[in-house]
Amino acid sequence: SQTIHQWPATLVQPVGSPLSLECTVEGTSNPNLYWYRQAAGRGLQLLFYSVGIGQISSEVPQNLSASRPQDRQFILSSKKLLLSDSGFYLCAWSDWNTEAFFGQGTRLTVV
Amino acid sequence: KNQVEQSPQSLIILEGKNCTLQCNYTVSPFSNLRWYKQDTGRGPVSLTIMTFSENTKSNGRYTATLDADTKQSSLHITASQLSDSASYICVVSWGNRGSTLGRLYFGRGTQLTVWP
Repeated sequence: SQTIHQWPATLVQPVGSPLSLECTVEGTSNPNLYWYRQAAGRGLQLLFYSVGIGQISSEVPQNLSASRPQDRQFILSSKKLLLSDSGFYLCAWSDWNTEAFFGQGTRLTVV
Repeated sequence: KNQVEQSPQSLIILEGKNCTLQCNYTVSPFSNLRWYKQDTGRGPVSLTIMTFSENTKSNGRYTATLDADTKQSSLHITASQLSDSASYICVVSWGNRGSTLGRLYFGRGTQLTVWP
């Protein structure tokens, strides 16, 4: 069966520090991969999605970047965090016609 | 522009009562529509998924409907329980059958609170 792993679960980082959140998927090949952010009391905002290795689409201009070095690995990064980067980050994968499966999320607090 | 709109934004009901959440979308071409439940601080969990040809799909006390002509969906919760308190998110999948470019469009969710 397919599973998705996202880590860490919580993270407190100082302003200006780098960020790396990792997401891996097991049990499937060539998944569509997504990174979302959810600010407090708000809906999910799509940050990046990827349909294949090295293929990244960015939805909103921001301080973050994403990479897909392997088929089932999706990484969210920042060189210098801002206070506004705080939020709940979710990784997800889907096939074109199956359900979307979500990781358990990373609570990022930038201080 | 591909969009998913949900209403109401928030809803409070008493335990044992029924409620209906709405989702309107403009995503085209349409592949499927899913309803998710998201508990606070957790990832969303799938409740139902419906393709173009399906009108109704049930999962226990949850029943989703889809009208592909009017591009509307609803999620009906019967005999609500305290554990139903969560955000309910409508997600529409874009893309043609066989396409590898399918992606997801999310509504902002309806925050449901069930009071005892």
